[in-house]
Amino acid sequence: EAGVAQSPRYKIIEKRQSVAFWCNPISGHATLYWYQQILGQGPKLLIQFQNNGVVDDSQLPKDRFSAERLKGVDSTLKIQPAKLEDSAVYLCASSLFRLNTEAFFGQGTRLTVV
Amino acid sequence: QQPVQSPQAVILREGEDAVINCSSSKALYSVHWYRQKHGEAPVFLMILLKGGEQKGHEKISASFNEKKQQSSLYLTASQLSYSGTYFCGTEQSPTSQGGSEKLVFGKGTKLTVNP
Repeated sequence: EAGVAQSPRYKIIEKRQSVAFWCNPISGHATLYWYQQILGQGPKLLIQFQNNGVVDDSQLPKDRFSAERLKGVDSTLKIQPAKLEDSAVYLCASSLFRLNTEAFFGQGTRLTVV
Repeated sequence: QQPVQSPQAVILREGEDAVINCSSSKALYSVHWYRQKHGEAPVFLMILLKGGEQKGHEKISASFNEKKQQSSLYLTASQLSYSGTYFCGTEQSPTSQGGSEKLVFGKGTKLTVNP
């Protein structure tokens, strides 16, 4: 079974630039999560999708972050414009159903904003 | 409300045991445990649900004390492969019926197992 795929693995941008991350969840997984993990911290949920609908985006900084999940499969997370404090690893995860099932994480995208 | 994990770090020799604690100030519906090795994605260990039983996974097991809003992860006869950072994620229980469907992770406990 293929895992959660994310790209790119690494990205370095200047502040005020824009960046996009892509995630392809495990086939058949209805729930998709985007997490932000700052060095030395636990993952922080940014947005949770159930199929192509948003379940929770209460911690997504909506003035600069946006996310979409087209057709309930792939998802993209965009930051525009980026700030220095956005430097982090962005993890995508998926699970078969909703929260109380195992979540599978992708390798993440390490973003450095300079 | 972010759960509090303790200790922040622990160093063991192979074969020793360890306990990692996770506590919340809010009523909990479920507790999730993950392990993350350096530079890798978090990997699922187990979920403990309110009213459920203690779970086990090889030599790693966990308990969930709903009244104390705490969970503990037990690592028995540790192996080198157990090294990594352990995160607990907690789901609050805003009603008597179910969970909030929102998982909040603690800051993690870094476990190092030496030969």
